[in-house]
Amino acid sequence: TQLLEQSPQFLSIQEGENLTVYCNSSSVFSSLQWYRQEPGEGPVLLVTVVTGGEVKKLKRLTFQFGDARKDSSLHITAAQTGDTGLYLCAGEFSGGYNKLIFGAGTRLAVHP
Amino acid sequence: NAGVTQTPKFQVLKTGQSMTLQCAQDMNHEYMSWYRQDPGMGLRLIHYSVGAGITDQGEVPNGYNVSRSTTEDFPLRLLSAAPSQTSVYFCASSPTAGTHYEQYFGPGTRLTVT
Repeated sequence: TQLLEQSPQFLSIQEGENLTVYCNSSSVFSSLQWYRQEPGEGPVLLVTVVTGGEVKKLKRLTFQFGDARKDSSLHITAAQTGDTGLYLCAGEFSGGYNKLIFGAGTRLAVHP
Repeated sequence: NAGVTQTPKFQVLKTGQSMTLQCAQDMNHEYMSWYRQDPGMGLRLIHYSVGAGITDQGEVPNGYNVSRSTTEDFPLRLLSAAPSQTSVYFCASSPTAGTHYEQYFGPGTRLTVT
């Protein structure tokens, strides 16, 4: 059983559509990170959220950390083909010394 | 600035063979770690190091050894390869062992054990 559940597993949409992916857990995290991974490459950090209820925006991407720090969401507005990739969330426990727990990811395909 | 480099990119081993996956970083990062990525399971931590001479086990350490003799290098050794170790392996580094720091990942090594 995954400690961090990501949904949906797969998402295929047209350019210009909006989408939201979710990262859920029954555990409380001190922070949560979102990474994007492209084929044949390692994950690259998009954002770190630390405070319950925190919202961070990165151009067309909006990240939210749940009030109880157990879940997070990533919303993409007007998706572009360049958004295609695997989106991973990773939770860090208090005193975790960078020992991240990763979800299995949401694979997003944006078609022209 | 090369960041985190990993070699080889691809490797095929027979069951029982041993090998070392190389990882190096040129950012003077204290913290380094190894993950494996399997379909449907995300990345799982194998071993990590908070500085030269210090290593510790992660979530899935069995069958793997590590050492950290320098700040730059963190090799991962497979002692006797098994088909269950077929995976993509990623090395990562971070400035310190403190919390909330970004991890910088290498490009990965795709290992197949037959």
